[in-house]
Formats: sequence, structure tokens, C-alpha cells
Amino acid sequence: EVQLVQSGAEVKKPGESLKISCKGSGYSFTTHWIAWVRQMPGKGLEWMGIIYPDDSDARYSPSFQGQVTISADKSISTAYLQWTSLKASDTAIYYCAREILDPAYYGMDVWGQGTTVIVSS
Amino acid sequence: SSELTQDPAVSVALGQTVRITCQGDSLRIYYASWYQQKPGQAPVLVIYGKNNRPSGIPDRFSGSNSENTASLTITGALAEDEADYYCNSRDNSGHRLGVFGGGTKLTVL
Repeated sequence: EVQLVQSGAEVKKPGESLKISCKGSGYSFTTHWIAWVRQMPGKGLEWMGIIYPDDSDARYSPSFQGQVTISADKSISTAYLQWTSLKASDTAIYYCAREILDPAYYGMDVWGQGTTVIVSS
Repeated sequence: SSELTQDPAVSVALGQTVRITCQGDSLRIYYASWYQQKPGQAPVLVIYGKNNRPSGIPDRFSGSNSENTASLTITGALAEDEADYYCNSRDNSGHRLGVFGGGTKLTVL
């Protein structure tokens, strides 16, 4: 079964660092781009950035550039989303998702279950 | 950067047909993909490309495109189709970035 399994919920304080993970299985992890998507409480989906696990080429939405770091370790089929100093406004559910392999199409066909991040003093 | 615009809310009577639209300049170049999200669940891809459905998505879901507008049509809406629907496409940057529409809350009456 093709799946992305994300790390568990986190409760952190403002200013703390955090790294959440997304582990792929059931397919060749290195051949699909992985995207990260934010959903703030009661709000819509926001595209944050993507990474190509084979060479760790990462690209960011201008809204998230410099705010987070996306990385990957292809040896363990895992992508990461990282903050160095969390803010209360980072409270959200974060999803990872696999991009469709066919370059003729765009879309995300496999999604992780989401990681809830709560930042509160 | 690019933006995708969706109506915030749409309603449809049970068994009727509803169209959800998404507008944006990037849709002149790229096809939209569409996602269904139910409360407390991760999004699910329902349409991608010109009009492609992933395995397991019912054929009452279809997609179409015209100039800067993409549309998701549900023919014969069921109660279980009540959900938020999001369109998604690449932006115009040329750097493989993506963008989502604001989402449409579909109510089945």
C-alpha cells in the first residue's frame, strides 16, 4: 500500500524549534516530489513548498521562504518540515503529500494524515 | 505569484448537478487539480489534468477547463459529497511552485 505516515502531534512554546516528519512507503520515494501544506484552524489549504528527495532540491512559496526549512533523507524515505523559532501563528495542521509522477499532470495523489502543531505559552 | 479564486460556498439539492469554479491566470497554462476535504480528514484528490479521476473516485465527479477557469462538476450529488473543495495548480513563477484556491464549502440540501 502506498502511504505517507506523519509524525505525531506536537505542543510547543513560542521560540522553540521543531522538526516534523513524513515517511513514505509502498513506492519509490526518490522519484516523486513531496509537498508540504498548511491548514490553520478553520481555514483553507496553503501550499508551503516541495522537495525532490533524490537530490533534496527544495522550493518554497514566497509566503514561507525563510520561515521554514524542508529537507529529506532518502535513505529512510522521509521528508521533514522544520522551524527554528516557532510563533503562535504557526499553530496549524501540516500535511505532506506526494505529487503525481507524470509530468504532464499536476496534483497530489497521496496525502499524509496530518500533523497538528500547537504553539502556545 | 498567482492566485486562484473560488466561491466560498455553494449549495445543491440532493441528486442535482453542481459546478464549482476556480479562476486564475495560471489556469491558462496549467490544469487544475481538485481535492475534497471532509471535517477532520486529510484532503483527497478527486480530479487532475484535463479530466482524470484517481482510482476509487466515482464518475459523478468530472472536471473541465476554459481559458482562466477550471470547473469541478458533481452530477447527481449525494449527501456524502458535502465537503470543502479546493482547486490547486502550479503558479506562474516557473519554479514548480503551487497554489491553492480559498476553498468552496459545498452543502447538499
